[in-house]
Amino acid sequence: DTEVTQTPKHLVMGMTNKKSLKCEQHMGHRAMYWYKQKAKKPPELMFVYSYEKLSINESVPSRFSPECPNSSHLFLHLHTLQPEDSALYLCASSQGATGTSYEQYFGPGTRLTVT
Amino acid sequence: GQNIDQPTEMTATEGAIVQINCTYQTSGFNGLFWYQQHAGEAPTFLSYNVLDGLEEKGRFSSFLSRSKGYSYLLLKELQMKDSASYLCATSGTYKYIFGTGTRLKVLA
Repeated sequence: DTEVTQTPKHLVMGMTNKKSLKCEQHMGHRAMYWYKQKAKKPPELMFVYSYEKLSINESVPSRFSPECPNSSHLFLHLHTLQPEDSALYLCASSQGATGTSYEQYFGPGTRLTVT
Repeated sequence: GQNIDQPTEMTATEGAIVQINCTYQTSGFNGLFWYQQHAGEAPTFLSYNVLDGLEEKGRFSSFLSRSKGYSYLLLKELQMKDSASYLCATSGTYKYIFGTGTRLKVLA
């Protein structure tokens, strides 16, 4: 299994809602990532988990809250978002932690629209 | 600081060869990656270079010069399905940094 899965594929939420994005991989990878991608822009790193511990937070607003309960699952909890947070949210995993030579495997993403 | 530069857009003809350049400055260096991303889809890994020289993989080749902070992705025998964005990324001391991406249009 060389797949990273993400649910839901699409999400529309109001600014006062609370929702969560889910990511899953069963490749035994020990690093997992959240990226935000706007149209025609490269992915922007948000968070990195290495061995289930948060190792990088790229100064992301607190309305985004990541969680990594085990090595196979990653969540991004969302609350009181702004319309400018509408984007494609990508999850990725890699065999080792950042700063190493491992390629990242990306999930298909969740297309988020904040109304 | 850390910086990666790529051309924004390129156009080429089906069957031709195209070279997409990437220049970078990074703190620490653990390799340079190329990813392909079709519109609305996730990036997929194409190649990895950590030593100077050329790595060939079918129709795709990638070159690295660490002393010059320079890499290129060479696509041969272009096909329509190669129309996509090509992202250069460096693995530095702490994290990946992605370049701005090059949108390649392949014309019939």
